[in-house]
Amino acid sequence: TQLLEQSPQFLSIQEGENLTVYCNSSSVFSSLQWYRQEPGEGPVLLVTVVTGGEVKKLKRLTFQFGDARKDSSLHITAAQPGDTGLYLCAACWYSSASKIIFGSGTRLSIRP
Amino acid sequence: NAGVTQTPKFQVLKTGQSMTLQCAQDMNHEYMSWYRQDPGMGLRLIHYSVGAGITDQGEVPNGYNVSRSTTEDFPLRLLSAAPSQTSVYFCASSYEGKNTEAFFGQGTRLTVV
Repeated sequence: TQLLEQSPQFLSIQEGENLTVYCNSSSVFSSLQWYRQEPGEGPVLLVTVVTGGEVKKLKRLTFQFGDARKDSSLHITAAQPGDTGLYLCAACWYSSASKIIFGSGTRLSIRP
Repeated sequence: NAGVTQTPKFQVLKTGQSMTLQCAQDMNHEYMSWYRQDPGMGLRLIHYSVGAGITDQGEVPNGYNVSRSTTEDFPLRLLSAAPSQTSVYFCASSYEGKNTEAFFGQGTRLTVV
């Protein structure tokens, strides 16, 4: 059973459209991270959110941490084909600060 | 700076064989971990270590052993491979503490026939 639920599992949209990916859990996290993974490579960190309600922006990507620290979202504005990949949320718990648990991932495909 | 290095990149085993997946990092990170990645399952934590001589179980530890004799190396051992262990294995390292970035190797694709 995944402690972190991501939705949707797959998403295929047209270039220029907006999208949102969600990451939810019943547990409270000390922090939540978003990674992106290309085929044949390991995941690479995009952002870490720490404070409840925190919003961080990375160019066209906006990351939000829920007020209760149990959920997060990733919003992409005007998606580009280069955004194609597997997006993974990952969480650290207070009881084990370095232990990182991953969600099931969202596979994103942007059509030109 | 090599980062996290995993070997081999590909491996085919017969059921019942044993092998060790190697992982080495040169960033002096205290924390190292092993994940497996299966289709639709994201990454699942197998074992992790917060420093030399200290290891602990993750979400799916059965069938795997680890040891951490040095800060740099964290090998993963399969004592008797099973088809259910067919997967892509990733090793990661990070500094110990809150909110640290995990750095991943390029993965080992293991097939057990």
